[in-house]
Amino acid sequence: EVQLVESGGGLVQPGRSLKLSCLASGFTFSNYGMNWIRQAPGKGLEWVASISSSSSYIYYADTVKGRFTISRDNAKNTLYLQMTSLRSEDTALYYCARQGVVGFDYWGQGVMVTVSS
Amino acid sequence: EIVLTQSPTTIAASPGEKVTITCRASSSVSYMYWYQQKPGASPKPWIYDTSKLASGVPNRFSGSGSGTSYSLTINTMETEDAATYYCQQWSSTPPTFGGGTKLELK
Repeated sequence: EVQLVESGGGLVQPGRSLKLSCLASGFTFSNYGMNWIRQAPGKGLEWVASISSSSSYIYYADTVKGRFTISRDNAKNTLYLQMTSLRSEDTALYYCARQGVVGFDYWGQGVMVTVSS
Repeated sequence: EIVLTQSPTTIAASPGEKVTITCRASSSVSYMYWYQQKPGASPKPWIYDTSKLASGVPNRFSGSGSGTSYSLTINTMETEDAATYYCQQWSSTPPTFGGGTKLELK
């Protein structure tokens, strides 16, 4: 069974940093591109970043470019999102999602990030 | 960036009713994905490659469209279909989502 489990969220002050992790299981992690997608409270879905299976290709949304860094460790089956210079508008539920044939085919349960003083 | 505009934003339907949700793209896209999200749950893939149903999706759902206009249709509304539906494209980077259509039970 495919599982994606996010961790590392919490309450953080504006301007500070936070690192999210997503532990994958139930599939060959190194074969798939992975993504971070977020959802602000009561709002829609916003793609944040993607990374190819071997980390050769990395893309970011303009809203996070220069502040967030996506990475992965295929030996640990783990996806990361390093977030710096956090802003109140980064407050959201952050999902990791696998990239498959049917689009984003598996999603984690999400981890909440709240940016507030 | 390709902007996806969904309509309506909210719709209420009675069981047995036909429902259509539209997604318009600011530029032509090759295909469209759709996701279903229920309150407190993660989104689920629902339709891919414009018209193919994801695993487990009832065949009362269908997808169609091309270019800048796509739609998701429910032939006969059922109670369990109440949810928010999002369209999504990745014909060009960045991938983008529509704003969502909340489908309520009347």
